Amino acid sequence: GAGVSQSPSNKVTEKGKDVELRCDPISGHTALYWYRQRLGQGLEFLIYFQGNSAPDKSGLPSDRFSAERTGESVSTLTIQRTQQEDSAVYLCASSRGGSAGNEQFFGPGTRLTVL
Amino acid sequence: QKEVEQDPGPLSVPEGAIVSLNCTYSNSAFQYFMWYRQYSRKGPELLMYTYSSGNKEDGRFTAQVDKSSKYISLFIRDSQPSDSATYLCAMSGYGGATNKLIFGTGTLLAVQP
Repeated sequence: GAGVSQSPSNKVTEKGKDVELRCDPISGHTALYWYRQRLGQGLEFLIYFQGNSAPDKSGLPSDRFSAERTGESVSTLTIQRTQQEDSAVYLCASSRGGSAGNEQFFGPGTRLTVL
Repeated sequence: QKEVEQDPGPLSVPEGAIVSLNCTYSNSAFQYFMWYRQYSRKGPELLMYTYSSGNKEDGRFTAQVDKSSKYISLFIRDSQPSDSATYLCAMSGYGGATNKLIFGTGTLLAVQP
């Protein structure tokens, strides 16, 4: 596709349930990022994938959060045992990697609401 | 203290005005500076991308970086109602290969017709 796509666009879940969010990066982009945007706050880095290298998980807020990426394609972010403080917009971005890695292109996000 | 500070606004200007948006930062190792525009309930859209100090112009938009003062600006000339959005500054390059972006909280801009 022409841009980064994410699904679902909205997700409402009950506290304690697991959720899975999906990201399809721009074709040819080797780098993929997940960010979280809480209401009234800036984007917060979660995790970074680059090719076959080990992912940078330094931004994951707890062990309830995990992410996977298959090769240079789709990524899924999983949140286990969701809590109300997990409510946020989860944004995925991709880039060509390397020195061009700072030019990150974002998807529309998944709005997660934990009741 | 946050690594990147940005006035949240809101900033309201009349159509045709020149808009100035700013961010300050504390980490002198930042090398790459970006401005994103985010419409309500949409993902951020990359507007401007600059490396190190200097100016960059693209149409009605001008980005300035002053690394000595740790201060970046985005100017919008002849502002239009369609420019009404939240503007996010972002920066990176302080080490490692991650290229993770550090964002300001965003400034909400409203251009009144």
